[in-house]
Amino acid sequence: GESVGLHLPTLSVQEGDNSIINCAYSNSASDYFIWYKQESGKGPQFIIDIRSNMDKRQGQRVTVLLNKTVKHLSLQIAATQPGDSAVYFCAEIESKFGNEKLTFGTGTRLTIIP
Amino acid sequence: DTAVSQTPKYLVTQMGNDKSIKCEQNLGHDTMYWYKQDSKKFLKIMFSYNNKELIINETVPNRFSPKSPDKAHLNLHINSLELGDSAVYFCASSQERAGTEKLFFGSGTQLSVL
Repeated sequence: GESVGLHLPTLSVQEGDNSIINCAYSNSASDYFIWYKQESGKGPQFIIDIRSNMDKRQGQRVTVLLNKTVKHLSLQIAATQPGDSAVYFCAEIESKFGNEKLTFGTGTRLTIIP
Repeated sequence: DTAVSQTPKYLVTQMGNDKSIKCEQNLGHDTMYWYKQDSKKFLKIMFSYNNKELIINETVPNRFSPKSPDKAHLNLHINSLELGDSAVYFCASSQERAGTEKLFFGSGTQLSVL
């Protein structure tokens, strides 16, 4: 089946610095991408999404970049805080198939160093 | 108020036993899901229900049987538990089945089969 992978399984960043979490996807037909944050002992929580007709989308302290040519997705977190420590998942979907076909990546553990 | 709640949070049991995990959402959503997260944090969909109707069963063994008494509840019953069933199980919901609907996750049930 299709898979979504991550380049870095773990990432440590100094508090206040910016962090970038990368994700590679393999389904060229995917048209919707989401980043989720999972804190310890909790379920994944939606952070930001982007459709395939966009290259960039910004939220509060977070930016998602999409490069469809190389099937690459990234999540940038500005001015990281201790509360940003979590596992981050990218997920992809061909929206015509519905959420049942939502495929999660393997996750990157982000640790913020005080 | 918890949007998606599941019980119990921890479940420790012996091989061969039968157990259930309950899930309730108070968001008024029509679609509910069960996901399994293994020890490597990989998230994979198991089932999806839309308005009490089973939409998807992702090659899950017959020992797993979801039940949806109403659209606000989706319970998971597991027969003859095996060691490999040990994982964290997440319930989730979304307003529609559409691929661009945010999923709201519960906090997970950590199942340990001894």
